[in-house]
Amino acid sequence: DAGVIQSPRHEVTEMGQEVTLRCKPISGHDYLFWYRQTMMRGLELLIYFNNNVPIDDSGMPEDRFSAKMPNASFSTLKIQPSEPRDSAVYFCASRPGQGIAYNEQFFGPGTRLTVL
Amino acid sequence: GENVEQHPSTLSVQEGDSAVIKCTYSDSASNYFPWYKQELGKRPQLIIDIRSNVGEKKDQRIAVTLNKTAKHFSLHITETQPEDSAVYFCAAIEYTGNQFYFGTGTSLTVIP
Repeated sequence: DAGVIQSPRHEVTEMGQEVTLRCKPISGHDYLFWYRQTMMRGLELLIYFNNNVPIDDSGMPEDRFSAKMPNASFSTLKIQPSEPRDSAVYFCASRPGQGIAYNEQFFGPGTRLTVL
Repeated sequence: GENVEQHPSTLSVQEGDSAVIKCTYSDSASNYFPWYKQELGKRPQLIIDIRSNVGEKKDQRIAVTLNKTAKHFSLHITETQPEDSAVYFCAAIEYTGNQFYFGTGTSLTVIP
């Protein structure tokens, strides 16, 4: 398995533009998580899905952020409009719903977002 | 909700020495405590974990201890090597396994 896949790896955009980050979880994993990492705030959970359904989006900073999971193999995190303070590394992670690795979350390589 | 505190924020050790990173948590319902290592520019990767029914776990040079009564757990790295240099995150997870509460990270530098 290729692990969690994220695209793009790097994104540079201008303030006000729409940004879409993409994630492909590990096949068979029932849970998908979106995190944001900054020096100031560390790793923050933004939202997570179970079987494609959003369960907890209380970490989403504001209405400019939205996330979808149209099927078990794809999720997007959209920022519209983007602002310089959104600059961060965004990680997607997934975990199985059962089994030995029940609790372990597997992280993708991250998308480094820079908003100018 | 859970609150995880991690100390120290930075740690420098000489190669071959031991390194200890400590975390405390607030929610007694938390029952799974992983440690992630994040090298510069890379993703966090699980290096060791411990469940609440175990007091200590060891994997080669890495060990984790858990004190449920005091609500703290620690990562111990012995015989440190330069490749151990990274940021280490602890986390506490409640029984559903969904909400990961991460510590703020410890930047470990192993000086050759």
